[in-house]
Amino acid sequence: DVKVTQSSRYLVKRTGEKVFLECVQDMDHENMFWYRQDPGLGLRLIYFSYDVKMKEKGDIPEGYSVSREKKERFSLILESASTNQTSMYLCASSLTSGGRETQYFGPGTRLLVL
Amino acid sequence: AQSVAQPEDQVNVAEGNPLTVKCTYSVSGNPYLFWYVQYPNRGLQFLLKYITGDNLVKGSYGFEAEFNKSQTSFHLKKPSALVSDSALYFCAVSVMDTGRRALTFGSGTRLQVQP
Repeated sequence: DVKVTQSSRYLVKRTGEKVFLECVQDMDHENMFWYRQDPGLGLRLIYFSYDVKMKEKGDIPEGYSVSREKKERFSLILESASTNQTSMYLCASSLTSGGRETQYFGPGTRLLVL
Repeated sequence: AQSVAQPEDQVNVAEGNPLTVKCTYSVSGNPYLFWYVQYPNRGLQFLLKYITGDNLVKGSYGFEAEFNKSQTSFHLKKPSALVSDSALYFCAVSVMDTGRRALTFGSGTRLQVQP
């Protein structure tokens, strides 16, 4: 089975802090994704990566950056956390970049910014 | 731009009754369509997808969905609901091998199955 793990289930940070969310997949997938989930809005794409060191902006990249130094690891960085970034963050991976590929999700990180 | 609409925030059904969770989509080109389920405090789990071929797709846990191109719909169905089906359901779309590589999700529908 595909396994996608996220470094933390719950995080509490203060406004202005730099926050790192880590995601690791164990199936040698090319693509990795970061979404945020908010009630009534579904999942919105922040960034995705289709290869090591390659990234593309999603629908809501403002206030976020990403890093993919190794194929299995994709990090989401909040340079200066703000209260409107309080949300559930979900990482996903898929085998290739074709739109038909199933995405596999991690358990999520619930971030609270005070 | 591609989009997905799930018109119902919540669906209530009695255990043993059939259930339907609605989804409509808008894309330029031919769609790939997905259903995911999310149990409390968990990530999303893949249920089923439509790529091509038979319009009726069967997936995990007895769920199925029918692709209707003329109505641009992909409703999720199950003949007999279980209490354990209570969860948040998301429909998602991507476009066949071109353009945006990631999925576009609907806002989600909470399914509540009463015993």
